[in-house]
Amino acid sequence: SAVISQKPSRDICQRGTSLTIQCQVDSQVTMMFWYRQQPGQSLTLIATANQGSEATYESGFVIDKFPISRPNLTFSTLTVSNMSPEDSSIYLCSVEGQDRLTEAFFGQGTRLTVV
Amino acid sequence: KQEVTQIPAALSVPEGENLVLNCSFTDSAIYNLQWFRQDPGKGLTSLLLIQSSQREQTSGRLNASLDKSSGRSTLYIAASQPGDSATYLCAVRIGFQKLVFGTGTRLLVSP
Repeated sequence: SAVISQKPSRDICQRGTSLTIQCQVDSQVTMMFWYRQQPGQSLTLIATANQGSEATYESGFVIDKFPISRPNLTFSTLTVSNMSPEDSSIYLCSVEGQDRLTEAFFGQGTRLTVV
Repeated sequence: KQEVTQIPAALSVPEGENLVLNCSFTDSAIYNLQWFRQDPGKGLTSLLLIQSSQREQTSGRLNASLDKSSGRSTLYIAASQPGDSATYLCAVRIGFQKLVFGTGTRLLVSP
């Protein structure tokens, strides 16, 4: 299993500003994932972050709005840029093993409220 | 497009009851299925992972079954406790490390 620490756990931000969320894993992992959970909804994948390459974004998510960094095998950041109230969600990072048969582990999430 | 549905959306039971949560998926071509629990405003805790070749997995009071051909999984919780109160999510893996999540079942166990 993997232990994932996410910071901040929650924040209230003004519209038009940006917030950077950090995700730290206790072991080296190849792939990290960022999800969004809007109020009352299930999880939606934002992007996949591989170390040493550009993040791969899912349909409906763009790099200008959600830039991602992956400087090493234990750390990633997600920035929510130029925020609006519609960005109020829980943002979660996740890690998995390299093959498709392994378990996914999640951080405790960042609860973002945009006012 | 894979769709994952969980029934019921919400469930309230008295402490001690055995209960079943359901997860249905539209495309049976999955690699595995994972059950999670989520406490309010928090992240996800992995409960059980079932590979497509398996029929069930057990962990303590939890038992998850998988019927891939019919597109169904169930999570059985024995002797429920107030501490089991949370939202339970299932997720199917449909491609290279892509998870599709269900809509969730919100469980409340009353003392």
